[in-house]
Amino acid sequence: DGGITQSPKYLFRKEGQNVTLSCEQNLNHDAMYWYRQDPGQGLRLIYYSQIVNDFQKGDIAEGYSVSREKKESFPLTVTSAQKNPTAFYLCASSIVAGGTDTQYFGPGTRLTVL
Amino acid sequence: AQKITQTQPGMFVQEKEAVTLDCTYDTSDQSYGLFWYKQPSSGEMIFLIYQGSYDEQNATEGRYSLNFQKARKSANLVISASQLGDSAMYFCAMRDSIDYKLSFGAGTTVTVRA
Repeated sequence: DGGITQSPKYLFRKEGQNVTLSCEQNLNHDAMYWYRQDPGQGLRLIYYSQIVNDFQKGDIAEGYSVSREKKESFPLTVTSAQKNPTAFYLCASSIVAGGTDTQYFGPGTRLTVL
Repeated sequence: AQKITQTQPGMFVQEKEAVTLDCTYDTSDQSYGLFWYKQPSSGEMIFLIYQGSYDEQNATEGRYSLNFQKARKSANLVISASQLGDSAMYFCAMRDSIDYKLSFGAGTTVTVRA
């Protein structure tokens, strides 16, 4: 079955540690995205990538980093510079970036920083 | 700048009845897409329905229909014959023809009562 996988589902880290969230898709989509969701709110874009080896900052990129070495994979690193990292993180993909292509989401990773 | 407004924080609906979720948007672009997503308690964002700004007919997908009123800039979601499994958070989102991100509303929580 085609889809988007994110791992792990729950993640706990100590303050000051970097942590990497995994996102893999087998939909053959060119574009991938990372969103952050805080309780009771909508989603905000962190980073997006239109093609391999290329990515751009979204609205709230500070304290985060990404890589896109393979079409299928778009890992997100939450660094110690991110002031409030505890949140729900959702990865998405679409056939191409821009236009009105539908974005499909993974199951999300809930990060808690202690 | 894009803006999505969902004015209903929460709604209750009786099983088998229809419910309408309001969404208004603001954009100066002529070409844009409107999306509705469902987020159950598990957290995954599930794509429900899409409406293009140039589509003349309202979109329908099974029990979901989108009441698109372009002049009023509204894109209300109608869920017919509500089921217990429809209990979730519902988000309206928009993307214009050149933007890379979805702009989300704050969401509406729907609770279906037996």
